[in-house]
Amino acid sequence: GDSVTQMEGPVTLSEEAFLTINCTYTATGYPSLFWYVQYPGEGLQLLLKATKADDKGSNKGFEATYRKETTSFHLEKGSVQVSDSAVYFCALQRSGKLIFGQGTTLQVKP
Amino acid sequence: EAGVVQSPRYKIIEKKQPVAFWCNPISGHNTLYWYLQNLGQGPELLIRYENEEAVDDSQLPKDRFSAERLKGVDSTLKIQPAELGDSAVYLCASSKDLGETQYFGPGTRLLVL
Repeated sequence: GDSVTQMEGPVTLSEEAFLTINCTYTATGYPSLFWYVQYPGEGLQLLLKATKADDKGSNKGFEATYRKETTSFHLEKGSVQVSDSAVYFCALQRSGKLIFGQGTTLQVKP
Repeated sequence: EAGVVQSPRYKIIEKKQPVAFWCNPISGHNTLYWYLQNLGQGPELLIRYENEEAVDDSQLPKDRFSAERLKGVDSTLKIQPAELGDSAVYLCASSKDLGETQYFGPGTRLLVL
């Protein structure tokens, strides 16, 4: 069945460091791909999405490119801030259902 | 535009007691979802509604869980009786239609003692 695998956390970075969170998926066809972010005590917020191969989603300095050849959707940001500390979830959408990875915790230190 | 509203935000109950969660989706969104999020994991779909019809409830434990979406707007998820393993966050989401982007509420954090 469809599945999403994310790199294990926590990921700890200093402010202004470069961020990469790896995400790979297993699915038939070409599902839409998403990154959601969850701040402490809050629900999930959509960060970015891509609906077809080679699409690049971007928002708030974060980017991810839909790579069908490697079945990946890695999240990147050039310079993280303390306020980016949160849990990041990669997900694919199939028949209206979101299938999530296990989440990656990011801690950014001043 | 108001987001997805859920209540209560937190609930503590003793095992074997009933509990209910309420969700009000974004105005105009026809599709509503209930997800279960266990600690340290990603959310998993429990049930999906298209208007007032439940169209995907394959992951809903029907012996103790029930849900309804009267008039195709608000929805209620109920557990009766609750078990210790039901302690989790229950998330509601909505989208304009099937396949559109899903927007999540803040969730209800349930603790069963």
